[in-house]
Amino acid sequence: DTAVSQTPKYLVTQMGNDKSIKCEQNLGHDTMYWYKQDSKKFLKIMFSYNNKELIINETVPNRFSPKSPDKAHLNLHINSLELGDSAVYFCASSQSNPSGSQTQYFGPGTRLLVL
Amino acid sequence: EDQVTQSPEALRLQEGESSSLNCSYTVSGLRGLFWYRQDPGKGPEFLFTLYSAGEEKEKERLKATLTKKESFLHITAPKPEDSATYLCAVQPLLTGGGNKLTFGTGTQLKVEL
Repeated sequence: DTAVSQTPKYLVTQMGNDKSIKCEQNLGHDTMYWYKQDSKKFLKIMFSYNNKELIINETVPNRFSPKSPDKAHLNLHINSLELGDSAVYFCASSQSNPSGSQTQYFGPGTRLLVL
Repeated sequence: EDQVTQSPEALRLQEGESSSLNCSYTVSGLRGLFWYRQDPGKGPEFLFTLYSAGEEKEKERLKATLTKKESFLHITAPKPEDSATYLCAVQPLLTGGGNKLTFGTGTQLKVEL
């Protein structure tokens, strides 16, 4: 009964390649996110989608393109991979709540290594 | 810009030795402050949300408290299974959408027998 799942778990690739990471949530949430965790374990938001609409884009290089085919899925495509893209990428989801905070639930992460 | 600072960076405790982790924050209006636990190789696991100064929440050996400038995660009589990285994050009051969490760099806790 995985709430937020990501594939693949590990991704090792050469510089310059294009790769995709997939995320699915079965919590019925309407908002999904991509975060990047660097080697110092700092977790930083990249994108957020609400009902398939992009609502947060945190100055991420345009080599990164998120796509949300429906509100249960948010994929991340990365073009022309660079060494500095090596990190752990986490997907998260939450249910929008205009009057209160939204608890975000995280997936297990995708460990990307660019050689 | 929202900012979260956690201390200490690392903490080593003996089993049963209680202690506290600190999370200092600056935010332009607080919607919520979150505590997560992260085990090696896994995603952050939600622990608590605190909304206003004076609020406290408890779960087993953990108790989170909140003031206007900081939050503490108190660990009472910890066990080795409490070993993990504890992350603090703030969610600001925003207009026009967006539910960005700004995280601290975490406190790595190790509890030894």
